Amino acid sequence: DTGVSQDPRHKITKRGQNVTFRCDPISEHNRLYWYRQTLGQGPEFLTYFQNEAQLEKSRLLSDRFSAERPKGSFSTLEIQRTEQGDSAMYLCASSFGFNEQFFGPGTRLTVL
Amino acid sequence: DQQVKQNSPSLSVQEGRISILNCDYTNSMFDYFLWYKKYPAEGPTFLISISSIKDKNEDGRFTVFLNKSAKHLSLHIVPSQPGDSAVYFCAASATQGGSEKLVFGKGTKLTVNP
Repeated sequence: DTGVSQDPRHKITKRGQNVTFRCDPISEHNRLYWYRQTLGQGPEFLTYFQNEAQLEKSRLLSDRFSAERPKGSFSTLEIQRTEQGDSAMYLCASSFGFNEQFFGPGTRLTVL
Repeated sequence: DQQVKQNSPSLSVQEGRISILNCDYTNSMFDYFLWYKKYPAEGPTFLISISSIKDKNEDGRFTVFLNKSAKHLSLHIVPSQPGDSAVYFCAASATQGGSEKLVFGKGTKLTVNP
């Protein structure tokens, strides 16, 4: 399977804990995006990378959130001191240039 | 404020008939539009896109129409099949403005009845 993969698929954590998600994009894609989706809403943009450079961040990305793409390949999204409002589906997507973005299956986070 | 609006939360059609899903946008900087389909517990799947220099794009059973003056686009599915039942999201980006983020609507749940 050469699509976008995300790990883990599900994460349950207690409020205040830190969590980290991983995204592996389609291999030839130089752009990688993170979105968040809550129930009844469309995906909301969080941040994106072109190769290893983080080029845009949403206001939704508070200082508790950090994303990295150290070698321009996979990316990690870390949430520190999780809150119940962080419960959502975290989606990763990749693209080559200004083309359609292909999404992974998502990581569903539940904060208790 | 919601820049991309899908005003119909749900749509039900009979198998073999046409499904028309609508989307309105407010940001005149948007120049690239996409439709995604999403099944439960899966990520969105890309269906079809259109650039603002076109007013129509076809791919098999799927056709997207863009009316820039009305800031409106629609997705036509002909003929509709039960496997098309899913949530459909409209998305837009302002590529000439240097932003590659997609702005999504809230989605329309399509049910195709056999």
